[in-house]
Amino acid sequence: EVQLVESGGGSVQPGTSLRLSCAASGFRFDDYAMHWVRQIPGKGLEWVSGITWNSENIAYAESVKGRFTISRDNAKNSAYLQMDSLTTEDTALYYCAKEHSGWLMSLDSWGEGTLVTVSS
Amino acid sequence: QSALTQPASVSGSPGQSITISCTGTGSDIGTYNYVSWYQQHAGKAPKLLIYDVSHRPSGISNRFSGSKSGNTASLTISGLQAEDEADYHCSSYSSSATTYVVFGGGTTLTVL
Repeated sequence: EVQLVESGGGSVQPGTSLRLSCAASGFRFDDYAMHWVRQIPGKGLEWVSGITWNSENIAYAESVKGRFTISRDNAKNSAYLQMDSLTTEDTALYYCAKEHSGWLMSLDSWGEGTLVTVSS
Repeated sequence: QSALTQPASVSGSPGQSITISCTGTGSDIGTYNYVSWYQQHAGKAPKLLIYDVSHRPSGISNRFSGSKSGNTASLTISGLQAEDEADYHCSSYSSSATTYVVFGGGTTLTVL
């Protein structure tokens, strides 16, 4: 059974940083691209960033480009999202998700999310 | 404002069929067959229902079907059941300047 478990969320002040982690199990991690998607409670989903299995292709939404950095460690079956220069608009539930197949097409497994609150 | 446009809400009675639309542009739905649909029950993570416009992952009921015409994709749920009450989100690959994956704002389905 595929499991994705996010951690690292919390309540921080604007301008500070957080690093989210996603621990994966139940599938061959180094065969799939991984993504981060966020959701303001009660609102729609927003794709944030994705990384291919070998880290050769990385993509970001314009809203986080230059501030967020995605990475992965296949030896640890983990993906990460380093979030710098946080603003109140980054407040959301952050999901880690596994690509179904290919790149930037569909996400077939999701974690339960980790909540990030940015407030002064 | 979301890049893909969905109705905020739809409703139907048990046993009926409903369709949720998802309208994009030539930079996403109109050009690429990488439309996905996700179901999200309250307080839960999204679940993939449809990928590549009309394909169902293993384990997804054939009551769920997807299609596309021009810049608009659609999700049809037939034989509505109480357990179908949830939020539904569409997404598409995008060649826009601001993102590679676009989502709709989500549609709340109420089973009357």
